Amino acid sequence: KAGVTQTPRYLIKTRGQQVTLSCSPISGHRSVSWYQQTPGQGLQFLFEYFSETQRNKGNFPGRFSGRQFSNSRSEMNVSTLELGDSALYLCASSPLPGMGTDTQYFGPGTRLTVL
Amino acid sequence: DAKTTQPNSMESNEEEPVHLPCNHSTISGTDYIHWYRQLPSQGPEYVIHGLTSNVNNRMASLAIAEDRKSSTLILHRATLRDAAVYYCILRDVRDDKIIFGKGTRLHILP
Repeated sequence: KAGVTQTPRYLIKTRGQQVTLSCSPISGHRSVSWYQQTPGQGLQFLFEYFSETQRNKGNFPGRFSGRQFSNSRSEMNVSTLELGDSALYLCASSPLPGMGTDTQYFGPGTRLTVL
Repeated sequence: DAKTTQPNSMESNEEEPVHLPCNHSTISGTDYIHWYRQLPSQGPEYVIHGLTSNVNNRMASLAIAEDRKSSTLILHRATLRDAAVYYCILRDVRDDKIIFGKGTRLHILP
């Protein structure tokens, strides 16, 4: 079974631009979560989607948004990029939401650099 | 969200057991204890989880204190490939959100 895939793997943008990152969960997994990892703040939860609906949201500004499609693939968007948005963005999938005992499977991440 | 406390870093010799401690004094009855690790340049990967009883799998063992206020991840025979940041996490049974702390950076000495 293929793992979680994220595209692109690397991205360079300039301040003020917007960016869209994509995540394909493991086949059969319907819950997708997004995390941001920076050296200063560590791994921080962004949001979680199930059945095309956002179930959980972390403490990030409205510039960060996401969506999920009917095939469970998910995208996250960051508008009006700031230098501080430079980070590794990780996507994780699990079979169902609200099952805190389930394993979350992480993708390799997308490394975003904002210049 | 309940918090965990871990040492910033630890060292161990290759082929020796490693005990990684975690304190979670504010754990609630619906919190499961999960461990994930992140190898260099990779996303986190699941290691093990438990509720009250000790757990074993092919990667590691999890020893949970009787009062559940602390736990220990045990790698029985560390290899160089076990060098990673290990995260101890509390997850409510009703929640998918994972709140990561700073984790413990494990160095394995050859």
